Amino acid sequence: EVQLVESGGDLVKSGGSLRLSCAASGFNFNDAWMTWVRQAAGKGLEWVGRIKSKGSGETTDYATPVKGRFTISRDDSKNTLYLQMDSLKSEDTALYYCSWVGRSMAFHYWGRGTLVTVSS
Amino acid sequence: ETVLTQSPGTLSLSPGERATLSCRASQSVSSSYLAWYQHKPGQAPRLLIYSASSRATGIPDRFSGSGSGTDFTLTISRLEPEDFAVYYCQQYGGSGYTFGQGTDLEIK
Repeated sequence: EVQLVESGGDLVKSGGSLRLSCAASGFNFNDAWMTWVRQAAGKGLEWVGRIKSKGSGETTDYATPVKGRFTISRDDSKNTLYLQMDSLKSEDTALYYCSWVGRSMAFHYWGRGTLVTVSS
Repeated sequence: ETVLTQSPGTLSLSPGERATLSCRASQSVSSSYLAWYQHKPGQAPRLLIYSASSRATGIPDRFSGSGSGTDFTLTISRLEPEDFAVYYCQQYGGSGYTFGQGTDLEIK
């Protein structure tokens, strides 16, 4: 069974940093492209960024609002995905989900999310 | 950036009825990269349809997707009580993804 479990969400002050983790199991994490998506309260889903597998160059892409502030990385030995968030702003307050990018670039499996709150 | 506009914003229907949800793109989207998701409060989003018309694993056949170019549709042929949720379309283009703003399917 595929499982994705996010952790690391917390209350942080504006300008601060936070690192989220996503523990994966039930699939070949080494070959998986992974992504982060967020949802602010009362709003829709917003794509944050994606990391390819090591075999695909481990390259990353980011949404414009987080580019230069957020960094996605992975540790295949630990089956874990990370999201390093720096220079946090109040508008980064959201529930953050990790997901496995499967066939046709769709997000086939999702975690339940971890809550990040940025206070001004 | 490709903007996806979903309509209607809210759809009020009764169990047993047919639901038709629309997703319109600001520019042509590859059908290979158009997906639909269901999201219920407190739960993880769930992939329903990928490549515009392929059902994801375990998705009942009352869910179907169609469309091409800039116009895509999610149809739920006969609503079950568990189908009332928010639905999002999503596209992948170049190096990034965008979601529509969502359609809230509510019980009438």
